[in-house]
Amino acid sequence: EAGVTQFPSHSVIEKGQTVTLRCDPISGHDNLYWYRRVMGKEIKFLLHFVKESKQDESGMPNNRFLAERTGGTYSTLKVQPAELEDSGVYFCASSPRVNTEAFFGQGTRLTVV
Amino acid sequence: GDSVTQMEGPVTLSEEAFLTINCTYTATGYPSLFWYVQYPGEGLQLLLKATKADDKGSNKGFEATYRKETTSFHLEKGSVQVSDSAVYFCALSGYNFNKFYFGSGTKLNVKP
Repeated sequence: EAGVTQFPSHSVIEKGQTVTLRCDPISGHDNLYWYRRVMGKEIKFLLHFVKESKQDESGMPNNRFLAERTGGTYSTLKVQPAELEDSGVYFCASSPRVNTEAFFGQGTRLTVV
Repeated sequence: GDSVTQMEGPVTLSEEAFLTINCTYTATGYPSLFWYVQYPGEGLQLLLKATKADDKGSNKGFEATYRKETTSFHLEKGSVQVSDSAVYFCALSGYNFNKFYFGSGTKLNVKP
């Protein structure tokens, strides 16, 4: 069974550009999470989808970040326009339901120059 | 709010040495505690967990005990191997595991 897959693995963009990160959860997992690790600091929660609905988006840093999960399958996280402080590793995770282990992807390393 | 503090790295050890990575937490209620590991080029993997006070999580020779009185969840291994080189993250979550609070990670380098 395929694990959580994230695309791209690495992205380098200029300040002011737009970047879209994609996450394909494990098939059948209703819960999808986005986290990010900035500059070697702690991994921070961004948001939680249950199917296509945003259950908790309390960790989204500002309105330059937009997450979607149309159809309740894969999810995208768009950063527009990107700023230098957005650089970091963005992790996606999925779980079949709450109260169960979440499986993480390998992360997307975003570098804004 | 909830938070996790873990020792800064990197930690460099020789093969077969004893490992301790300290982790303390601040939380309301009764959190579950976790250790995740990220091997080079891979995603985060659950290493072990404990869901209530005095529980001991263990896996692959690693152990950690949920200490409510000291709000700690230190990771230990009696004899590390080169293959244990990775970044280790301590984390906590509420009862339904739907939101994790992670520490900043500790990089472990094990030399032959």
